[in-house]
Parts: sequence; C-alpha cells; structure tokens
Amino acid sequence: GQQLNQSPQSMFIQEGEDVSMNCTSSSIFNTWLWYKQEPGEGPVLLIALYKAGELTSNGRLTAQFGITRKDSFLNISASIPSDVGIYFCAGQESGTYKYIFGTGTRLKVLA
Amino acid sequence: DSGVTQTPKHLITATGQRVTLRCSPRSGDLSVYWYQQSLDQGLQFLIHYYNGEERAKGNILERFSAQQFPDLHSELNLSSLELGDSALYFCASSVAWTRAYETQYFGPGTRLLVL
Repeated sequence: GQQLNQSPQSMFIQEGEDVSMNCTSSSIFNTWLWYKQEPGEGPVLLIALYKAGELTSNGRLTAQFGITRKDSFLNISASIPSDVGIYFCAGQESGTYKYIFGTGTRLKVLA
Repeated sequence: DSGVTQTPKHLITATGQRVTLRCSPRSGDLSVYWYQQSLDQGLQFLIHYYNGEERAKGNILERFSAQQFPDLHSELNLSSLELGDSALYFCASSVAWTRAYETQYFGPGTRLLVL
C-alpha cells in the first residue's frame, strides 16, 4: 500500500542527544500527525499540524509542517530512555480524507 | 488511555478459520478506521466507517469485511485465515470525517497469530 517516505529507518543515540526525523511525500497534504508506538501498544498521538509552516511543540518534542506541504519533521531534544519506540508520521492527502502512514523511525536510546 | 477499546487483546487461531475483532470508539466519535500492522511494517489502512456507512477502502482483502453498528462499535471479520494474516490489527476513531483535519486516536490493538 501507499506509504510516506520516513527517515531515518532507525536510530541509536546516547541519552541527552537531540533527535531529528522527517517524512516526505510526492503529493500535498492537509494535515500531518506524529505518533509514537511502544512494543505491543497502539500508536499514541504526539503532535498534530494543520497549516503549512506551522511549528508546534509538546514538551521536548517539536514538529513542523513543511512550507511545500509535502514534508514534515519531528525533533526530540535531550532524549531520555523512555523516548524509545517507533515514531510514525501520518499525512492526510489533499482532496481525500484518508491518512497515509510513514514507514516508521525506530529509536533506541542508550543510557 | 486513548478511549478506544479493542477486544480481544490476543487471538491465536488456525489457518482456514474465521475470527471477529471488535472495536469501541471514543465517546462521541462517529468514525472508525481499521489498520493492519505486520511485523516491522508500517500501518496499512484497511477500511473506514462513518456513522454506520462505509466511507473508504484501503488495502483490504476480499476475505476481510467490516461493519459499524448503530451503537457505533465496529467489527472486523477475517475469514479463510492464512499464515500471512498474522499481524496487529488496530482500530482508530475520530469525531467525523468531513473536516480536512481529523485527528485519529488509536486503540491498543488485537494481536492475531495464525498457526
């Protein structure tokens, strides 16, 4: 099925480091959502973005809706061990009401 | 806790069998979405219901079907199960679907293992 290009696929970082991941698409999106999924659990919404250029923070997390409406990034500052999980982006394609999910970024934090 | 509930949490069955997964959306949400997540895979959209009516279909096999009942809970029926159907099945809900920006909230998932 159709998926967004999300990178990197996985990251191993030291506790305290900053993390950056992004999603890109060939089509325009109305909405970008960022989710975190822990093993055996459902994705949990972290940040929702509704407008091109929008920059939104949620604690140590910051996400931006790209100006071209074809990309979004998520930054995590000062990572901690509980940040471990898989981070998914999801975009709602312009002209549809369907969400397309990224392939996920698997984050591991080393204490 | 997202407010979306799914049962059962785990399901083990044999090839060729039929199972039903159940989802209750958040209170007030009219839309229900079903997704499949295979091992180390992203989320694949299966189907979307709004207020009892099917609104969109994704990569849903003909062996799979779903429905949304008047009380807004939804069931996903998987039949003639194959080994490759083993996956996590998630339900998500949102208030509606008519806005250009509807946030979806996910349930905890049902882990299906077909032996």
